[in-house]
Amino acid sequence: KQEVTQIPAALSVPEGENLVLNCSFTDSAIYNLQWFRQDPGKGLTSLLLIQSSQREQTSGRLNASLDKSSGRSTLYIAASQPGDSATYLCAPSGNQFYFGTGTSLTVIP
Amino acid sequence: GAVVSQHPSRVICKSGTSVKIECRSLDFQATTMFWYRQFPKQSLMLMATSNEGSKATYEQGVEKDKFLINHASLTLSTLTVTSAHPEDSSFYICSASYSGGTSTYEQYFGPGTRLTVT
Repeated sequence: KQEVTQIPAALSVPEGENLVLNCSFTDSAIYNLQWFRQDPGKGLTSLLLIQSSQREQTSGRLNASLDKSSGRSTLYIAASQPGDSATYLCAPSGNQFYFGTGTSLTVIP
Repeated sequence: GAVVSQHPSRVICKSGTSVKIECRSLDFQATTMFWYRQFPKQSLMLMATSNEGSKATYEQGVEKDKFLINHASLTLSTLTVTSAHPEDSSFYICSASYSGGTSTYEQYFGPGTRLTVT
């Protein structure tokens, strides 16, 4: 069974900082990996999808990389804003999705 | 983009009653739908995977007789929590995906349903 670990569990940064969220997974036989954000009490918003053949994807201030062989993915957030405060989840996908425990991000104005 | 809806968004029920949650893909046909549960301050946990027209596959530890899943069409899946108890109070989220063969494509998530059992 896939095990997904996200580090750090919580992160608090001042507005404007660049930051990196880490995700590691044990089973590298995946088709893709998604990064999501979850606001308190809400559903998930898909941020980026990286296919297993890709090494990175970019959307606005977000950049996600994937190293499938080593079982790692990172989400880079540039110039963080208070509106980025949320929990970020990574989900590698083989035949199923497995979620990490998430990184709770707080961006301080 | 692909939109998934859930209904209801919130439900409060008494212990012992049953509750049905609907998950609909509004603008695409979902061959696979997933049901997740999230307890406070914990990550999403996959409960079951359902493919249209076939029985759902439940994760270990999830009671199939308690959580009835029906995926009767390519746009609708339902989760029925039977004889609900306070410990079933949770946030239930569905997702829908178009799957070809054994690969899994991008999942689209519903907004979630907050169930409170009193």
